[in-house]
Amino acid sequence: EDKVVQSPLSLVVHEGDTVTLNCSYEVTNFRSLLWYKQEKKAPTFLFMLTSSGIEKKSGRLSSILDKKELFSILNITATQTGDSAVYLCAVDEYGNKLVFGAGTILRVKS
Amino acid sequence: NAGVTQTPKFRVLKTGQSMTLLCAQDMNHEYMYWYRQDPGMGLRLIHYSVGEGTTAKGEVPDGYNVSRLKKQNFLLGLESAAPSQTSVYFCASSDPGRNEKLFFGSGTQLSVL
Repeated sequence: EDKVVQSPLSLVVHEGDTVTLNCSYEVTNFRSLLWYKQEKKAPTFLFMLTSSGIEKKSGRLSSILDKKELFSILNITATQTGDSAVYLCAVDEYGNKLVFGAGTILRVKS
Repeated sequence: NAGVTQTPKFRVLKTGQSMTLLCAQDMNHEYMYWYRQDPGMGLRLIHYSVGEGTTAKGEVPDGYNVSRLKKQNFLLGLESAAPSQTSVYFCASSDPGRNEKLFFGSGTQLSVL
């Protein structure tokens, strides 16, 4: 059975801390891995990763994929209270379906 | 641009009642999806459609039906609501093979008492 596992399930940090969120996966027909940020409403797209070892960066956020070990990490440096959200990892399988992990709840305290 | 619009935003049902959730997109996307989100379980795919007139089952289809009579609309029906269907429902749409451009609606909070 295809699955996507995220860890930790939740964490609380202070502003300025660096956090690393993890996503491991077991899917049959891997095409890409995506990260989303969800603040109360609809998820918003952060990154799509298709190749191992190539870091994607957007401001203080970065992500990398390891297709051999079947995992990805999302790093957030110098966290701010506005980073508080649920971070979702999803794997895109051939066949046009996304398989989502349960998410990591991040709370950044000021 | 409206993007993906879901109606209603909130609904409370009694066990056994029926209802339909409507999703409308104005981006001419071929693919549309219905997900449910429960605490600690992420987003789970209920049904999806790869084009007008087509539908397919996702991960958790039981108790739901869908229809895609028009390309821009995707309806999710609950024939006989159960408390286990209390959840937040998200509709999404995309072009084929473009899941990085998956657009979500703002969600429907459904409570079944």
